[in-house]
Amino acid sequence: EIVLTQSPGTLSLSPGDRATLSCRTSQSVDSRYLAWYQQRPGQAPRLLIYAASSRATGIPDRFSGSGSGTDFTLTIYRLEPEDFAVYYCQQYGSWYTFGQGTTLEIK
Amino acid sequence: QITLKESGPTLVKPTQTLTLTCTFSGFSLSSNGEGVGWVRQSPGKALEWLAVVYWNDDERYSPSLKDRLTITKDTSKNQVVLRMTNMDPVDTATYYCAHRGWSVFGIGRLYYFDYWGPGNLVTVS
Repeated sequence: EIVLTQSPGTLSLSPGDRATLSCRTSQSVDSRYLAWYQQRPGQAPRLLIYAASSRATGIPDRFSGSGSGTDFTLTIYRLEPEDFAVYYCQQYGSWYTFGQGTTLEIK
Repeated sequence: QITLKESGPTLVKPTQTLTLTCTFSGFSLSSNGEGVGWVRQSPGKALEWLAVVYWNDDERYSPSLKDRLTITKDTSKNQVVLRMTNMDPVDTATYYCAHRGWSVFGIGRLYYFDYWGPGNLVTVS
């Protein structure tokens, strides 16, 4: 089973800052099957990025995904107040696995 | 427009079987490539994928829970049902169903959960 490890666990930043979130996988992952989700308190997850770097419909261009192999990154430029949430990476192989999440909080 | 909604009990007793229904609209689970999955989230914890069923009747389960899970689809009703046996307090969680979307990429496909239901909180006590 592929394990996804996200870091940091919590990231404290201010609106307008840039956030860099990491997702490392225990084995190489096909980047076509690496996605990122945002979850705000009390809400269902929302797809942000699929295929490691493609933004989902309606996602602002300040969200950017990159990476390959075992190292993937979600970058959020110019943080807006609504961006403070929990972010999960997820991979698809024979089955699906999620990382443990990164909490992006207001500093 | 794709929508999904979970329904089922909010409280179950230990050892009972949980049955959750996902009712969806905006797509057909008989169409090539379509799928519906279940994901749960214990309070304050991370997302955990449980199971998925595809248009071609293929089913996949989380290895750690596969002995307790059954996922079925009713294409005529636009519903997917998840059953989890032998419930325990550690299974207390919000259970989400989600559309497994796809898009063409070269000669292959990309897969992701692009639409989610609002979730159904299940307490085991």
